Amino acid sequence: DTGVSQDPRHKITKRGQNVTFRCDPISEHNRLYWYRQTLGQGPEFLTYFQNEAQLEKSRLLSDRFSAERPKGSFSTLEIQRTEQGDSAMYLCASPQSWIGGRLFFGPGTRLTVL
Amino acid sequence: GIQVEQSPPDLILQEGANSTLRCNFSDSVNNLQWFHQNPWGQLINLFYIPSGTKQNGRLSATTVATERYSLLYISSSQTTDSGVYFCAVELFSGGKLTFGQGTILTVHP
Repeated sequence: DTGVSQDPRHKITKRGQNVTFRCDPISEHNRLYWYRQTLGQGPEFLTYFQNEAQLEKSRLLSDRFSAERPKGSFSTLEIQRTEQGDSAMYLCASPQSWIGGRLFFGPGTRLTVL
Repeated sequence: GIQVEQSPPDLILQEGANSTLRCNFSDSVNNLQWFHQNPWGQLINLFYIPSGTKQNGRLSATTVATERYSLLYISSSQTTDSGVYFCAVELFSGGKLTFGQGTILTVHP
C-alpha cells in the first residue's frame, strides 16, 4: 500500500458520457500528479497541483478534461463527452514528502469507453 | 522535450539468473527514479537515484549523471520479479516525471 488511493478502480462507460475519478493522496502532502497510461506505453504526465493550485497542464489534457483539487486535499479528474481514445489507466501520484523525493502511485482507475 | 530510452525492450530469464536494465536520457536531470509495474498494474517505486549507487536486497541501481544513463541490476531473479520496469526522469525539483517505454521482464521457474 503506497498510501495513495483512487476510486473507482474500474469504469466502463459509453462514448459521449461524462466520468469523474477521485484521488486521495498521501495525507497533507502538497503536490499531487495525474498521469495516463495506455497499453504498452509508459505513464504520460497530464497535470499537477501544488496545494489547490494547478501548476502545469500537458497538451494531452484537451478541453474535455478538467482537474480540481479543492482545499488542497483530494483531487478529481473529469472527462466530458468521452471518446474511445480516452480508454486508458488514469494514475494519481503523491511525492514522499513536502519537498518531493520518491513518487508513489495509486492503484489507478482503468477506463474503458465503449 | 527530454527523451528517455530503455533497453532491452523485452527480457526473458530463468529463475536465478542475473540481469541488467539500462536507461539513457537526453538531457541533464534533477533526479531519476526506477519503478516496477506488477501484472496487476500497480507501480512500485524501487529507487530514487539522481546519482551514485544504491542497493535494496537483490536489486541495485547506478546512475552516472554526467554520462546520462542509469542501470538497474537484478540478481538471483525470481518469478515475482516479472513485470515492466520503468525509469523516469525529472528535469527540475517538483516537476513532472518523464517515463521511458519500459523493459518487459519475464522470469520463468
